Amino acid sequence: DGGITQSPKYLFRKEGQNVTLSCEQNLNHDAMYWYRQDPGQGLRLIYYSQIVNDFQKGDIAEGYSVSREKKESFPLTVTSAQKNPTAFYLCASSGGSGTENTYEQYFGPGTRLTVT
Amino acid sequence: GQNIDQPTEMTATEGAIVQINCTYQTSGFNGLFWYQQHAGEAPTFLSYNVLDGLEEKGRFSSFLSRSKGYSYLLLKELQMKDSASYLCAPLSGGYNKLIFGAGTRLAVHP
Repeated sequence: DGGITQSPKYLFRKEGQNVTLSCEQNLNHDAMYWYRQDPGQGLRLIYYSQIVNDFQKGDIAEGYSVSREKKESFPLTVTSAQKNPTAFYLCASSGGSGTENTYEQYFGPGTRLTVT
Repeated sequence: GQNIDQPTEMTATEGAIVQINCTYQTSGFNGLFWYQQHAGEAPTFLSYNVLDGLEEKGRFSSFLSRSKGYSYLLLKELQMKDSASYLCAPLSGGYNKLIFGAGTRLAVHP
């Protein structure tokens, strides 16, 4: 089955540690995105990538880093520089040949990160 | 600037009809999405409007007025499982990015 996977669903880290969240898709989508969601707030864009080996900062990129070495994978690293890293992180993808709507974003199940 | 306004919370009765409104201001515009999100889960696609007018899909319909910067999602024959957040997301013209509103939490009561 085609889809987006994020693992793990829950992640706990100590303050000061970097942590990498995984995102893999087998939908053959060109574009991938990382969002952060806090209680009572909408999804805020952290980084996005429209093609392999290229990515752009979103609205809240400070304290985060990404890579896009493969079309299927778009890992997000939450660094110790991120002031409030505890949040729900969602990965999404869109576009690619055969898709009915090139702009529709398909979301992974999310990773809930808690930093103490 | 970019701004999306939708009500924070709504309540409705099972079997009824509810309309969730959204007004938006974006830099460029290439259409508007509505997503449903149950608590703790990923958003799922409901509708996409690019032209003015009403798009109907089963119990759900979505309307768009580009000149007014306005959209609504209409849910008919409400069921308990429709209790969720509904996210309005215009597609910004520059890099075709979705701009998400904070969402409307809908509670459906028996």
